[in-house]
Formats: sequence, C-alpha cells, structure tokens
Amino acid sequence: GAVVSQHPSWVICKSGTSVKIECRSLDFQATTMFWYRQFPKQSLMLMATSNEGSKATYEQGVEKDKFLINHASLTLSTLTVTSAHPEDSSFYICSARDGGAGGYTFGSGTRLTVV
Amino acid sequence: GNSVTQMEGPVTLSEEAFLTINCTYTATGYPSLFWYVQYPGEGLQLLLKATKADDKGSNKGFEATYRKETTSFHLEKGSVQVSDSAVYFCALTLGPNAGKSTFGDGTTLTVKP
Repeated sequence: GAVVSQHPSWVICKSGTSVKIECRSLDFQATTMFWYRQFPKQSLMLMATSNEGSKATYEQGVEKDKFLINHASLTLSTLTVTSAHPEDSSFYICSARDGGAGGYTFGSGTRLTVV
Repeated sequence: GNSVTQMEGPVTLSEEAFLTINCTYTATGYPSLFWYVQYPGEGLQLLLKATKADDKGSNKGFEATYRKETTSFHLEKGSVQVSDSAVYFCALTLGPNAGKSTFGDGTTLTVKP
C-alpha cells in the first residue's frame, strides 16, 4: 500500500534555531500534501496545504513566515520551523492523498521539542 | 462548515468487552468517512473507511457503518484487547478528490486485562 515517510521522528533543538521536517511519498506521486499539528491530548489541526510547484495554502492563524513549506517535487514536501520557540514544541504530521477513493496516508509524525 | 463530533473520552474497558465510540458529522455534500488510530508516540494509521451511504468499513475486528440519515459513523468492536488501547479519531473528507480532512477531537481508549 501507499507509504508516506516522515523524517525525523523526533528532534530537540535550541530556541532560535530552525528545524526542517521532510515528508516523502515512497511509492506514489503526491501533488498535494497536508501538514498538521497536534498538541498533547488534542486533535489534529491543519496548518497548511502543500502544492507541488506552487505556494502552500496556509490556514487562518498559521504564520507562513514561521512555518515555511516547500513542495519541490511530486514525492517530497518539507516543513521548516524557523526561529523555533518552546511554544512551537508539538507533534507535526504530514499526509498525502494516495490516489485511492478518498484515501489519505499519514506519515509517522515528528515530535519537536524546543528547549 | 464541516465538523466531526466524537464521543468524549477517556473510555476504559475490560478485555473482551464491547466497544462503541460514537461519531457524528456535519458536512456540505457527501463526505467520505474515516477512523484513524494513534498508538502512543506514533502517527496516525488508517483503521477503516467508508465512501458512501450504507457502506460498512471493517478492519482488525473494528466496524463502522456510514449512516446518512443520522449523519453518523460509530466505531464498534465486539471484543477489545489490551493492544487496542490507543486514541481513535473520526474524520471526514469531501470525496476522493477532496483536500484537507476534518478530524474529531479523538477518543482515548484504555483496555485493562
């Protein structure tokens, strides 16, 4: 079946530094990928829709200059958290439509801790 | 707008008990419905799905039936195991070519031996 690989699975960084998270579709092409954020014991909140070859579409309240999204190929989207602060600590998950009827495959998530 | 409402948790059951987690939705159009499971420290995994009214999704002993008349997609399992302990999310998308998914708040299930 469709597989989405997300890397790294966890990362600890210092305040003020930037962190890049990768999301790859391994056996299918994904023109659109989605980035979600999940706070502890809460649901997933969509941050942005990543479109191959064009600018990402951000949800209301998400700072596009802080959460940089690049979708340069049909199999890779990246989320860069710039100038990270402790409040950015969260679980970030990507997903991609795998071509099946309404099917979306999720990555395994990245736990970001900013100290 | 679209929304998904899940039964509040946490839910605690004994092994082999019957499980029901309620999910209702509001959507413009005819959504596809999903249940995802998240084990501790991991990402989401698709558990089952249904793409049209009266469809039944099933996987690993879990079932859910797409009920258009009650706008519901309740998750059931006849006999839960300790390994089923996880957070369960109900979600919808509007059709196979749709974009983002809308998630419920999640229901934490703990199964005790």
